[in-house]
Amino acid sequence: SQTIHQWPATLVQPVGSPLSLECTVEGTSNPNLYWYRQAAGRGLQLLFYSVGIGQISSEVPQNLSASRPQDRQFILSSKKLLLSDSGFYLCAWGRQGLEQYFGPGTRLTVT
Amino acid sequence: AQSVTQLDSHVSVSEGTPVLLRCNYSSSYSPSLFWYVQHPNKGLQLLLKYTSAATLVKGINGFEAEFKKSETSFHLTKPSAHMSDAAEYFCVVTVYNQEGKLIFGQGTELSVKP
Repeated sequence: SQTIHQWPATLVQPVGSPLSLECTVEGTSNPNLYWYRQAAGRGLQLLFYSVGIGQISSEVPQNLSASRPQDRQFILSSKKLLLSDSGFYLCAWGRQGLEQYFGPGTRLTVT
Repeated sequence: AQSVTQLDSHVSVSEGTPVLLRCNYSSSYSPSLFWYVQHPNKGLQLLLKYTSAATLVKGINGFEAEFKKSETSFHLTKPSAHMSDAAEYFCVVTVYNQEGKLIFGQGTELSVKP
C-alpha cells in the first residue's frame, strides 16, 4: 500500500529565516506530487505540482519554491520567510483525473 | 472549466440524527467527484469517490453520496451522526488531465451535538 510522509509536523521560524519542508511517498512510482497551503479559514490553495523528476509548475507567484530531486521526494523551500507564509502545508500524491492522497501536514508558524 | 460549490459553510446536527452536506458542481466534461474529511490539524482523508460507475457511492464510516447529473449535485449523507464525525468536509471535482489538479469547494464544518 502507498504511504506519504511529511516532516516536520510543526515548525516555528522567525521572519527572514530559510525553510525546507520534505515530503516522500512510498509504494508507488512516478506519481504526480502536490504542495498545498491551508490558511486559517480552511480553504486549500495549490502552490506547486510536479508530473515528474525536475518538473515543477507554480500556481501562485510567491516567496516559496519547490523541487523534486527524486521520483518520490518533493521539497518546499524558501530563502527568507515572511509572516504571511504561516499556515498548514499539505503534500499530496495522485494521478491524472483521479483522487489525491494527502500527508499529515506541517504546521508552520512564522514569528 | 470546472467548479464546485458547497452550499453550507457550517452544519450542526445532533448525535444520532441524519447528516446532509450539499455540493453542486460545474464541469464541461464527465467529472470525477470526491468527498474528503479533515479533522483539526490533520491531513485530508478520502471518504468516497465517483468516477462514472454507479451513481450511488458508498464510502468509509457509513457515508454515501449520490451523483445526480440532471441536478449537477453530489450531496454527502449519513443516516446517523456520531460525535467523531465532527470535522471539515470538502467536495472536490476533477476531470482527466495530465496535471491531475483538483478543484476544491470551500468546505463545510460539521458540528455534532451530544
